[in-house]
Amino acid sequence: DAKTTQPPSMDCAEGRAANLPCNHSTISGNEYVYWYRQIHSQGPQYIIHGLKNNETNEMASLIITEDRKSSTLILPHATLRDTAVYYCIVRVDNDMRFGAGTRLTVKP
Amino acid sequence: KAGVTQTPRYLIKTRGQQVTLSCSPISGHRSVSWYQQTPGQGLQFLFEYFSETQRNKGNFPGRFSGRQFSNSRSEMNVSTLELGDSALYLCASSLPTVQYTEAFFGQGTRLTVV
Repeated sequence: DAKTTQPPSMDCAEGRAANLPCNHSTISGNEYVYWYRQIHSQGPQYIIHGLKNNETNEMASLIITEDRKSSTLILPHATLRDTAVYYCIVRVDNDMRFGAGTRLTVKP
Repeated sequence: KAGVTQTPRYLIKTRGQQVTLSCSPISGHRSVSWYQQTPGQGLQFLFEYFSETQRNKGNFPGRFSGRQFSNSRSEMNVSTLELGDSALYLCASSLPTVQYTEAFFGQGTRLTVV
């Protein structure tokens, strides 16, 4: 079973920041938080991951709370192509337990 | 570099038949994982292979099996197909480092059982 909880859906205006929350209250000390997204029936695409520090790459930023029980994925300037299902995963080796994810719809 | 390649992309089989799906990982990646995605159950982990050995296994019946070859290419087999096996089957490859790295997914094989 997935160890994360995400809202089922969110909307975001094009050009604005999209903030996607994730709860992982039972996370263990050595478990990483990973984010993937899946655009209609394609394979999931890696976005970012982190352990306890905030992380940023060319796609997004990941903010992890100090107690590590929740995190937020930030897409700084959402575009229509960011419309997808976003999965937050607490990773136990290569057995990734996907939840239902958040369906993000970016609107013009 | 080339991504993860899955073949075939689409497949139609009849109940009771068996099917073999193929996955070629990114060059240098030695870990290959398989997932099943259905509208009702979402993405579910099937199994992971590393160095030709199954390292992890999800909660699927024995009809689902896999193997990995010395060049890291992997196949999964489903025997005695059921209608409920209709799904998108995805494989992912990754570097087997101590600190987990990202897994890269293929485009999947869409299997339809009729």
